[in-house]
Amino acid sequence: GQNIDQPTEMTATEGAIVQINCTYQTSGFNGLFWYQQHAGEAPTFLSYNVLDGLEEKGRFSSFLSRSKGYSYLLLKELQMKDSASYLCVLFNFNKFYFGSGTKLNVKP
Amino acid sequence: EAQVTQNPRYLITVTGKKLTVTCSQNMNHEYMSWYRQDPGLGLRQIYYSMNVEVTDKGDVPEGYKVSRKEKRNFPLILESPSPNQTSLYFCASSSRSGRNSPLHFGNGTRLTVT
Repeated sequence: GQNIDQPTEMTATEGAIVQINCTYQTSGFNGLFWYQQHAGEAPTFLSYNVLDGLEEKGRFSSFLSRSKGYSYLLLKELQMKDSASYLCVLFNFNKFYFGSGTKLNVKP
Repeated sequence: EAQVTQNPRYLITVTGKKLTVTCSQNMNHEYMSWYRQDPGLGLRQIYYSMNVEVTDKGDVPEGYKVSRKEKRNFPLILESPSPNQTSLYFCASSSRSGRNSPLHFGNGTRLTVT
């Protein structure tokens, strides 16, 4: 495995901003994905980083620092429908390695 | 509509009875893969395929077989299912061998082995 660590659960308020962190221990990888998964459903793609820096897609942004072994997903203007699990995924040598996911609870 | 189709959605079987879970994609994707999802463990890759007739093991291949005779289909075979294979299974595909290309997932198959 790639020793991918994410917080198990987080709670945030509707309209707020939340940052979900992901740390990993690997010597190299091709890229890092973030997926959203609602309970009982399939994961859906949110964002992808291959180079260091910030990638922005609407309300969602993802950041990668290879030197620090660290990524985060930033969700702005939280909505109730953002309550879901968020998966940090490394892609390396044709294989995908998933973190255990962070369950985000958005409260009114 | 571009999609990955898995069947069945739910399956209850007994130990040792061979079963196949089908997966088909209509996006002409080269890369296809199977995952199992267990509480607290996240998704783990079982097998993947880079193209027709090219398959390789993921992290947890024991007890599973796959085949890729056609580009669109990638069935998962359990020759002799055991209770520890009770899990939620996902098939996924992507283009360009997965590089820079996100996975598109099927809706999942919830398997119970008694």
